[in-house]
Amino acid sequence: AQSVSQHNHHVILSEAASLELGCNYSYGGTVNLFWYVQYPGQHLQLLLKYFSGDPLVKGIKGFEAEFIKSKFSFNLRKPSVQWSDTAEYFCAVDTSGTYKYIFGTGTRLKVLA
Amino acid sequence: DAGITQSPRHKVTETGTPVTLRCHQTENHRYMYWYRQDPGHGLRLIHYSYGVKDTDKGEVSDGYSVSRSKTEDFLLTLESATSSQTSVYFCAIRGGASGQDGELFFGEGSRLTVL
Repeated sequence: AQSVSQHNHHVILSEAASLELGCNYSYGGTVNLFWYVQYPGQHLQLLLKYFSGDPLVKGIKGFEAEFIKSKFSFNLRKPSVQWSDTAEYFCAVDTSGTYKYIFGTGTRLKVLA
Repeated sequence: DAGITQSPRHKVTETGTPVTLRCHQTENHRYMYWYRQDPGHGLRLIHYSYGVKDTDKGEVSDGYSVSRSKTEDFLLTLESATSSQTSVYFCAIRGGASGQDGELFFGEGSRLTVL
């Protein structure tokens, strides 16, 4: 069965700092990878996704993520965070074919102005 | 707006009673999901469906059952509610009629309190 781990549960950064959130998954087959963001009181919103091809994917709001197959990782990055990036971030994995869609436990990011 | 409605939006019930939550979609999507969201646990998959009468278990399916008798409706039933099932429940659909898009679109959530 697949699983997703997000090791950073809470992250506090100052504005303009760089961000990297870790995501590791376990599954032996082909996966699709996603990062979502949830602002307070709102739905989850897709930041970016990886299906195949270039392992460095760019998403909305200046976020990017890199798929490293050998490490089963899909870390989220942003060069310079803003106060408005304060939110909870979720990594997700689904398995090609079955589309069983599993989320990590989330990382709460607080950006100090 | 992905055309997903959940009902009821809020419910308070007592331990031992059955509860059914409904998810209705208007866009003929094949894949539908039920999650629960709890602090510190993120979203945990309860059950999902890949077509009419085709469902499968997720990570936390014990105590829950689902049914999908038509494309637009996906029902989640708590057979005998317990306090540990107090949570916010989200229904989601996978984008694209055949799910090829990958992005999940979520309903507004159903807040369930079991006393």
